[in-house]
Amino acid sequence: EIVLTQSPATLSLSPGERATLSCRASQSISTSLAWYQQKPGQAPRLLIFDASNRATGIPARFSGSGSGTDFTLTISSLEPEDFALYYCQQRSDWPPPMFTFGQGTKLEIK
Amino acid sequence: EVQLLESGGGLVQPGGSLRLSCVASGFSFTGYAMSWVRQAPGTGLEWVSGISGSGVSSFYADSVKGRFTISRDNFKDTVYLQMNSLRAEDTAVYFCAKDLGRRDAYSFDDAFDLWGQGTMVTVSS
Repeated sequence: EIVLTQSPATLSLSPGERATLSCRASQSISTSLAWYQQKPGQAPRLLIFDASNRATGIPARFSGSGSGTDFTLTISSLEPEDFALYYCQQRSDWPPPMFTFGQGTKLEIK
Repeated sequence: EVQLLESGGGLVQPGGSLRLSCVASGFSFTGYAMSWVRQAPGTGLEWVSGISGSGVSSFYADSVKGRFTISRDNFKDTVYLQMNSLRAEDTAVYFCAKDLGRRDAYSFDDAFDLWGQGTMVTVSS
């Protein structure tokens, strides 16, 4: 089973600053990685798929990079609505196919 | 409007059963694999089960294998999760999720681009 480890657990920044969130896989997953944003009481929202492709309607300040085992979600200039929980996720054809999520990074206002 | 709407959650005693439903609208349901993902209070996301667009293939997390059954009715645009032998650790919000749909009717894509609002399941005596 592939394990995803996110860091840091909590990131404290101010609006306008740049945020860098990390996700590390326990073995290579090529670019099969997605990122989600979740706000309290809401469902997750897909931000990035295939490591670097923005989902429909996601602002350009969100970008993803990486391949193999190390991945990064970058928010270039934080807006107030960006403070939330962020999860990475991957799919493996173990078999059987299964999906795993990282434990999350909380992005909070400093 | 493109959306997923879950129902069927509630309070159930340990050892009991529940069936969750998720009705899809606004897209061609048959073309997409669907999954259930849960989130226990104050914790992260855990994938529970998935079913291919055709309904032929289905898979489960080890934590629910043998107790939960996923199914779909492509005429009703609905995916179900039958949960039996429920345990306290199954307490969570259950979300249904649609996959990106770039694969064929027997496969799963790599991410989920549409989620329902969730339905709460509480297992307690």
